[in-house]
Amino acid sequence: GESVGLHLPTLSVQEGDNSIINCAYSNSASDYFIWYKQESGKGPQFIIDIRSNMDKRQGQRVTVLLNKTVKHLSLQIAATQPGDSAVYFCAETVNQAGTALIFGKGTTLSVSS
Amino acid sequence: GAVVSQHPSRVICKSGTSVKIECRSLDFQATTMFWYRQFPKQSLMLMATSNEGSKATYEQGVEKDKFLINHASLTLSTLTVTSAHPEDSSFYICSADAGGPSTDTQYFGPGTRLTVL
Repeated sequence: GESVGLHLPTLSVQEGDNSIINCAYSNSASDYFIWYKQESGKGPQFIIDIRSNMDKRQGQRVTVLLNKTVKHLSLQIAATQPGDSAVYFCAETVNQAGTALIFGKGTTLSVSS
Repeated sequence: GAVVSQHPSRVICKSGTSVKIECRSLDFQATTMFWYRQFPKQSLMLMATSNEGSKATYEQGVEKDKFLINHASLTLSTLTVTSAHPEDSSFYICSADAGGPSTDTQYFGPGTRLTVL
């Protein structure tokens, strides 16, 4: 599968490959992180989240890894499908009601069949 | 799941006119709503935090007199772009906080594409 060690704006993979999208966050005080998928002309769609007391969380075909030591977050997509093609953003925040999310730079994932 | 709507989804206006964008939480009450702006191929940038019944808190660099925010009820926040100029053309997205004890109750609207001619 394809992996991205550092944040890159684009990632191209073949259908069926595993994809890894990376994100570096900036605020050491952030304790809640979310990955969003955004398709062209639409709002962000929640994919998966993780709290700072965890280092890994799995969903359906997706896994989020959190490394607080280096302030790094990654999203792994297993068996990538053409429908996964979109822009992916990580977001960080302090987990309190009424607190805004701060978005990282996006990665455009292109899946070819 | 919780649904947030925005209206209009797309608007084209002439330079110098004002445009109002509505953000509604359809099946929950939102004590806090957030407005983001997204330029092409860029990330979402927080513009302001809107609390029901009080003045909005604007992020640094966002002109409060240009981007008027009203959060008059627990289900509606409006963003008015006053005297719009072509550089205000962007994708405006709101999110609504369902008011739970943590952040994981924020829901995003579908966005409004503003084009200023």
